[in-house]
Parts: sequence; C-alpha cells; structure tokens
Amino acid sequence: DGGITQSPKYLFRKEGQNVTLSCEQNLNHDAMYWYRQDPGQGLRLIYYSQIVNDFQKGDIAEGYSVSREKKESFPLTVTSAQKNPTAFYLCASSIDTVGQGAAGYTFGSGTRLTVV
Amino acid sequence: GDSVTQMEGPVTLSEEAFLTINCTYTATGYPSLFWYVQYPGEGLQLLLKATKADDKGSNKGFEATYRKETTSFHLEKGSVQVSDSAVYFCAFRWSTGFQKLVFGTGTRLLVSP
Repeated sequence: DGGITQSPKYLFRKEGQNVTLSCEQNLNHDAMYWYRQDPGQGLRLIYYSQIVNDFQKGDIAEGYSVSREKKESFPLTVTSAQKNPTAFYLCASSIDTVGQGAAGYTFGSGTRLTVV
Repeated sequence: GDSVTQMEGPVTLSEEAFLTINCTYTATGYPSLFWYVQYPGEGLQLLLKATKADDKGSNKGFEATYRKETTSFHLEKGSVQVSDSAVYFCAFRWSTGFQKLVFGTGTRLLVSP
C-alpha cells in the first residue's frame, strides 16, 4: 500500500548536535511538507517543497534545513541552531498538479524528537 | 488573511452523546474544506472533506456540511464512542494552483464511558 514513512519514531539528540529525520513517500505526490507540533498545540509549517530540487521556508524555518533531491524523499535536519527542538515532527505530501488543490494531505506517523 | 477558527477544547462528552465541533473560515471565495483527526501519538488522518458549497462530507459516522452563507464546516456525530477521543483539525485549501492547507488550531475531544 502507498503511504508516507517517517523514521525513526523516537529520536534523542544531545544538545549541540545536528540530527536528520527521514520522510519517504511512494504515493507519487509532487509536494511534501514538514510540520512541527508542540504538546497541546496546532501545526506549524517548517518547510515545504512543491517539486524536486526546490523548497520554500515555512513559518518557523530557523534552525532547520531540508533537501529534495528525489521526488520520494524530503529529509529534515534539525541543526544546533534550533534552540528548542523537542517536539513532534510530521511529514506530509500532496498531489499538486493544476486543479488538484482540492486534494488534502497524506501524513506520516511522526517522529518524536527529544533533546537530552 | 485566510484563517480557520475552531472552538476551544477540550470537549468532554459521555459515550453516546451528540458531538458538534464548530469550524469557520475566513477567506474570499470558496475553498475546499477538510476535517482531519489525530489519535494520540500518531499523524493526522483525513476524516472527511467537501469541495463545494452545500456538499456534505461523511465518514465513520461523522458529517460536516459546507455552508457558504456562514463560511462554516461544523463537524457532527450523533453518538460518540470512547475510541473517538482524539484531536480534530479543520482546514481549507484553494482548489486552483499550488496552495497550502490552512489549518485550525485543533480541538481535543475526550469521551468517557
């Protein structure tokens, strides 16, 4: 079955370290997104990518970086510049050819990152 | 700017009670509307959607009707179960071109036996 796979499910990082969260989809979706969710809070957009080799900053991009070298993959790196990285991270994808805007997003199951 | 407003949670109900979670949007025009559900420790799942005015989306006993007059998309269920306990997100998206989903802040539902 097609879907989005995020790994790992739980991740622990020491202060000052960079860490990369994986997101892979086999839905042939064009666009991919990264969101951050803090306890009891809504979703905040970190980065998104409409097509391969292109990505845009979202609302809270500082301290994060991404790449989109393949259509299927959109890894997120949490850098040491991110001062409060402990959160739940969600990856999503969507079809985004013209006229498909009515399609929603498909989400992965998330990665919970904890700084120790 | 475009935005979605959901009722504050938590919403606490007893099993078999009637559920309404209010959602209104602010936008010029008629976007597609969505409800997502997030169970504890999981990602979001699409619950239902409606793409034009007066459409009714339904799934798993949940329903929502696209009301353009009131720019609303309230979520309802006639008889909730303990397993419906989750966070519910309302969202909208324009249907032309590349547009991101605009999410509400989510409403937590707690159903007790």
